Amino acid sequence: DIQMTQSPSSLSASVEDRVTITCRASQSISSYLNWYQQKPGKAPKLLIYAASSLQSGVPSRFSGSESGTDFTLTISSLQPEDFATYYCQQTYSSPWTFGQGTKVEIK
Amino acid sequence: QVQVQESGPGLVKPSETLSLTCSVSGGSISSYYWSWIRQSPGKGLEWIGHIYYSGSTNYNPSLKSRVTISVHTSKNQLSLKLSSVTAADTAVYYCARTGIQFGNMDVWGKGTTVTVSS
Repeated sequence: DIQMTQSPSSLSASVEDRVTITCRASQSISSYLNWYQQKPGKAPKLLIYAASSLQSGVPSRFSGSESGTDFTLTISSLQPEDFATYYCQQTYSSPWTFGQGTKVEIK
Repeated sequence: QVQVQESGPGLVKPSETLSLTCSVSGGSISSYYWSWIRQSPGKGLEWIGHIYYSGSTNYNPSLKSRVTISVHTSKNQLSLKLSSVTAADTAVYYCARTGIQFGNMDVWGKGTTVTVSS
């Protein structure tokens, strides 16, 4: 199975901060990487697909990038509604696997 | 717009079979994969498997011997069956529309909580 390792596991940030979350794949996954946001008691919400494509309706402050097996989710200016847990997911090979999550908390 | 809703028993006894239904409204189930994902209490996300409207399936090997996902196109529904459940199968179970090219899950149900207990 392809292991997806997110860092950090949690972070504290202030509104309007720039936040970066990294996801490293244990092997090459091309651009088959998606990012999701999950708030407590809610289903995950798709933010970014194919490593860098913004899902329709998602604010442009969210962006994704890739460099080899390292993938990055960036929130350019953190907003109050962005405090949540973020997950990466690889869909390059079965079984599809998720990262362990990064919890973004209020500083 | 497409909406997805999971339904089924909230309590299942150990060794029995968990059965859930995913109902799709506002659109057809054609031209997409449909995935089942679960999340154990306080844990991360686990992909269970997916099905194409034609009926072809792909399962997580860790669950493959116990999982069956079926599609019922006339009802715009899909179903999940997980046999021989244990407490480790206690989780919130989600159904999600899934893109064919990148596996992006863009429409999710609210999830249904299943507890395995006698």
